[in-house]
Amino acid sequence: KAGVTQTPRYLIKTRGQQVTLSCSPISGHRSVSWYQQTPGQGLQFLFEYFSETQRNKGNFPGRFSGRQFSNSRSEMNVSTLELGDSALYLCASSSIPIDRGNSPLHFGNGTRLTVT
Amino acid sequence: GESVGLHLPTLSVQEGDNSIINCAYSNSASDYFIWYKQESGKGPQFIIDIRSNMDKRQGQRVTVLLNKTVKHLSLQIAATQPGDSAVYFCAENMSQGAQKLVFGQGTRLTINP
Repeated sequence: KAGVTQTPRYLIKTRGQQVTLSCSPISGHRSVSWYQQTPGQGLQFLFEYFSETQRNKGNFPGRFSGRQFSNSRSEMNVSTLELGDSALYLCASSSIPIDRGNSPLHFGNGTRLTVT
Repeated sequence: GESVGLHLPTLSVQEGDNSIINCAYSNSASDYFIWYKQESGKGPQFIIDIRSNMDKRQGQRVTVLLNKTVKHLSLQIAATQPGDSAVYFCAENMSQGAQKLVFGQGTRLTINP
């Protein structure tokens, strides 16, 4: 089975721009979660989608949004980019929602976003 | 509030020795725990998990111990190999009413030849 695939691997944007990141989960997984990873804050939860609906949301501003398609692929969008948005954005998939039971998340290799 | 932390940010061990990575969690309602390994340039890789109704679980060369009394989690790696060099994260989850999987800050494990 193919793992979680994230594209692109690297992105360089300037302040004020917007960006869209893409994630394809493991085949059969319907839950997709997004995390931001920085050296100072570690791994922080952004949001989770299941069956095209946002189920859970972390403490990030409204500039961070996402969506999920009927094939479970997900996109994350960040508008009006700030320097502090520079981070590794990780997508993870699971067979069930993270608040419905005990099933591990399987992560992709992330998209490295640099905002200049 | 919810928080998961690690006692040591770095750990160096000799190749062939056993490694023990520790993790403290603060939310007594957490009932599911996971250890991840993250190598440079890659995403976190699932290693092993444990539910709160267990206190020990073994995998291939790894053992996770859970002490709910003191809210402590540990990962033991037997006969450490160079390929074990990575950052290790513990994470906690509440299956009831949980909003997210909470990760610790990570421990960097370095293997000395």
